[in-house]
Amino acid sequence: QKEVEQDPGPLSVPEGAIVSLNCTYSNSAFQYFMWYRQYSRKGPELLMYTYSSGNKEDGRFTAQVDKSSKYISLFIRDSQPSDSATYLCGGYSSASKIIFGSGTRLSIRP
Amino acid sequence: DAMVIQNPRYQVTQFGKPVTLSCSQTLNHNVMYWYQQKSSQAPKLLFHYYDKDFNNEADTPDNFQSRRPNTSFCFLDIRSPGLGDAAMYLCATSRDQGGEQYFGPGTRLTVT
Repeated sequence: QKEVEQDPGPLSVPEGAIVSLNCTYSNSAFQYFMWYRQYSRKGPELLMYTYSSGNKEDGRFTAQVDKSSKYISLFIRDSQPSDSATYLCGGYSSASKIIFGSGTRLSIRP
Repeated sequence: DAMVIQNPRYQVTQFGKPVTLSCSQTLNHNVMYWYQQKSSQAPKLLFHYYDKDFNNEADTPDNFQSRRPNTSFCFLDIRSPGLGDAAMYLCATSRDQGGEQYFGPGTRLTVT
């Protein structure tokens, strides 16, 4: 079992829809969680960085962490074609390196 | 703009011919990382430097080496590239260990 699991997709939604991207993790020591966006043949770009459980909002993006169920989510409101990319989730503890999921490919249809 | 820069963006090398990839940063971060990412896979950490302290991942092949001559620059040396080493190589930085990591654009390595 991988430490961080993500559905690879592809996930295709119409422009303007709310997108929900999800990850599960197995290491209960994880305290820090992040979401990166990676366009094709580019480096990952940090979108959201959260500590412990709860929600964090930044513009159209909301990151949610539920440590009791070891579940992390990224919501994208009013999705745009420019949001089409691969989204990587990750988590780590103070004693570990970041463990990434393998990414979910998202496509927003105009 | 403060950033992480990688050169070259695309590198083609021959089987067994040594190659060096370069990373520089203007963020003045203490930690620099090298990751290998293959298609549709998660980035895999190869090693990192905290300042001048080198930390190698246990499963990083001996074929991969790194140098950090100063705070701003870090190099990835692949001594004898094999076909299986073809991948995207990503450099990242963070202010301290365990902090947010910022990635460069990557170098796509092709081995012929």
